[in-house]
Amino acid sequence: DTVMTQSPLSLPVTPGEPASISCRSSESLLHDNGYNYVDWYLQKPGQSPQLLVYLGSNRASGVPDRFSGSGSGTDFTLKISRVEAEDVGVYYCMQGLQNPFTFGPGTKVDIK
Amino acid sequence: QITLKASGPTLVKPTQTLTLTCNCSGFSVSSNGVGVGWMRQPPGKAPEWLALIYWDDDKRYTPSLKTRLTITKDTSKNQVVLTLSDMDPVDTATYYCAAWIGPRPFDSWGQGTLVTVSS
Repeated sequence: DTVMTQSPLSLPVTPGEPASISCRSSESLLHDNGYNYVDWYLQKPGQSPQLLVYLGSNRASGVPDRFSGSGSGTDFTLKISRVEAEDVGVYYCMQGLQNPFTFGPGTKVDIK
Repeated sequence: QITLKASGPTLVKPTQTLTLTCNCSGFSVSSNGVGVGWMRQPPGKAPEWLALIYWDDDKRYTPSLKTRLTITKDTSKNQVVLTLSDMDPVDTATYYCAAWIGPRPFDSWGQGTLVTVSS
């Protein structure tokens, strides 16, 4: 199975400040079609996960532009340009290239 | 507006078969490019992908559970059903269904249903 790792696992943030989460995969997620099959989800407290970014860098519908995804191959990053209080929760990366699809362990973001 | 709702028993006994139903609205499970997947999430842990069925009835299963899983869809009811046989206490988790719309994987998730396996 493709193993997804994330760092940090816990990220205290200050509202208005930037934040960054790293995701690494054990195998390249770059398909021959040029797309990186990595997605980012946010699970707010008590809620179901919600899609933030798909195929590495595409924001899902309704996702604020303060969220951005980047990276290629095995190294990926989710950046929040200016954290807001509503951004707290657990962030997961997921690879959708190989069966089984696999999630990272999650990065818990909370307010300092 | 896309909505999904997972339903099923909240408590099952070891060795029993779990049957979960995902009622979908706001999209058709038979529309080109659409898929519905199931994930589960034990308390305090990351989600685990289980199965995915596409509009054309193509199916994918996680290899570790493939012998125990079955995913089907009922286009007349716009539902997707997941069965997991031979349940064990380690299968205790919140089970979610989610829609895969075109290039957007698991674009919308249902609310999840907590299933506890205990005698």
